[in-house]
Amino acid sequence: EDQVTQSPEALRLQEGESSSLNCSYTVSGLRGLFWYRQDPGKGPEFLFTLYSAGEEKEKERLKATLTKKESFLHITAPKPEDSATYLCAVFSGYSTLTFGKGTMLLVSP
Amino acid sequence: SQTIHQWPATLVQPVGSPLSLECTVEGTSNPNLYWYRQAAGRGLQLLFYSVGIGQISSEVPQNLSASRPQDRQFILSSKKLLLSDSGFYLCAWSVPGLTGTWGAPQETQYFGPGTRLLVL
Repeated sequence: EDQVTQSPEALRLQEGESSSLNCSYTVSGLRGLFWYRQDPGKGPEFLFTLYSAGEEKEKERLKATLTKKESFLHITAPKPEDSATYLCAVFSGYSTLTFGKGTMLLVSP
Repeated sequence: SQTIHQWPATLVQPVGSPLSLECTVEGTSNPNLYWYRQAAGRGLQLLFYSVGIGQISSEVPQNLSASRPQDRQFILSSKKLLLSDSGFYLCAWSVPGLTGTWGAPQETQYFGPGTRLLVL
C-alpha cells in the first residue's frame, strides 16, 4: 500500500524567512509526485508534477525537488499570501492518487 | 479554458436523509472524473472515479454511490446519510492519458471548489 508522510504538520515563518516542506513516500514504482496548494474552505490548486529523481520545477517563490524517497517544496522569501496548506500526492504503478495529510504554512508579516 | 463547478457549496442534512451532490466540467470532452472526501485531520480519500458515461469505479466500501449520466456531469448520492458522512467533498477532473497497471487513471487532477456537508 502506498504511503505518503508530510512534515512538519504545521510551519510558521516570518515574511522573507525561507524554508522547506518535506514529503516522504513509500510506493511500489513511483509514476508521479504532485504538489497542491489548498486555501481554507477551497479545493486544492495544482502546483507541480515530478516524475523522476533529480527533477526540479519552479514557480515564483516555490521550487519542488524529487529524490528516490522524498520530495521537498522549497519556499524562498515567502510572503503572507503563501500561507496555505500544501499537499503532496503520489501515483504508483498500481494505485490511484494517494495524498499526504498536508503541511499548514503560516507566513506572518 | 476548463472550469469545474460543484453545488451546493454548503449543505446541512439530518441523519437518514438522502444526498445528491453535483459536479460539472466545462471546456473539455470525455474527462476522467473523481469524487474525494476530506475529513478534518485526514488526507483526501478517493471515493469514486469514472472514465466514461455510466462507468464508475469505487475505491472504498460505504453508503455512498456515484453516477455519471452525461459526459461532463458526475453525481454523488446517498439514500440515508450517516453522521460519519460529514466532511468536505471534492470533485476533480483529468485529461485521459496515463493509466496504471490495473487501469486506474494517473493523470494530473484538477479540483473543484468543494461542498461542505454537515450531517446532524
